[in-house]
Amino acid sequence: QVQLVQSGPEVKKPGASVKVSCKASGYSFTAYYLYWVRQAPGQGLEWMGWINPNNAATVYAQKFQGRVTMTSDTSVSTADMEFNRLRSDDTAVYYCARLVATEVATPHFDYWGQGTLVTVSS
Amino acid sequence: SYDLTQPLSVSVALGQTATITCGGDNIRSKNVHWYQQKAGQAPVVVMYGNTNRPSGIPERLSGSHSANTATLTISRAQAGDEADYYCQVWDSTTEVVFGAGTKLTVL
Repeated sequence: QVQLVQSGPEVKKPGASVKVSCKASGYSFTAYYLYWVRQAPGQGLEWMGWINPNNAATVYAQKFQGRVTMTSDTSVSTADMEFNRLRSDDTAVYYCARLVATEVATPHFDYWGQGTLVTVSS
Repeated sequence: SYDLTQPLSVSVALGQTATITCGGDNIRSKNVHWYQQKAGQAPVVVMYGNTNRPSGIPERLSGSHSANTATLTISRAQAGDEADYYCQVWDSTTEVVFGAGTKLTVL
């Protein structure tokens, strides 16, 4: 079965960097884009960017450009999201999500990781 | 950028029908996807492409849309339906837009 398993919670100080991992299993890793979506406490969902594991192409949401880097390693079916210059308002749960295309509609997210809580606090 | 408007909260009596709306300019021209997020869990898609239910999603859930509003309808509401519900569309080929979410309470 398809699974996206993320790395564990992190506590970071303002200005630090964090790397969150997302290990995929149960499907062909290079066949699907992976998105990163975050959710601040009590808030909604916010997309950060995506990576195409087939060629490592990335697109980042304008809000995060310059601070985020998404990479993938096909040898271990893992995607990473590194986020730099963390601020207190970056405290959130970070999700990876698989994007699936269908014949009847625009793509949607069919599998999500369990989420990784990143806490930024001095 | 494209904005989606959802009510902050919706309440429904056990066994009754809940409707959760998602407003957007000419949203009828877009495919709307719906995600359910229970407390402490990751989102789960419950409706894609306006009216398509993924496998495992009960027929009690249905989707529709008109000119400026998409609707997720939950019939015979159960306690297990309590969750936050988010609508999502694509603003362009790369821009994901989520609604702010609606908290469904089953009384």
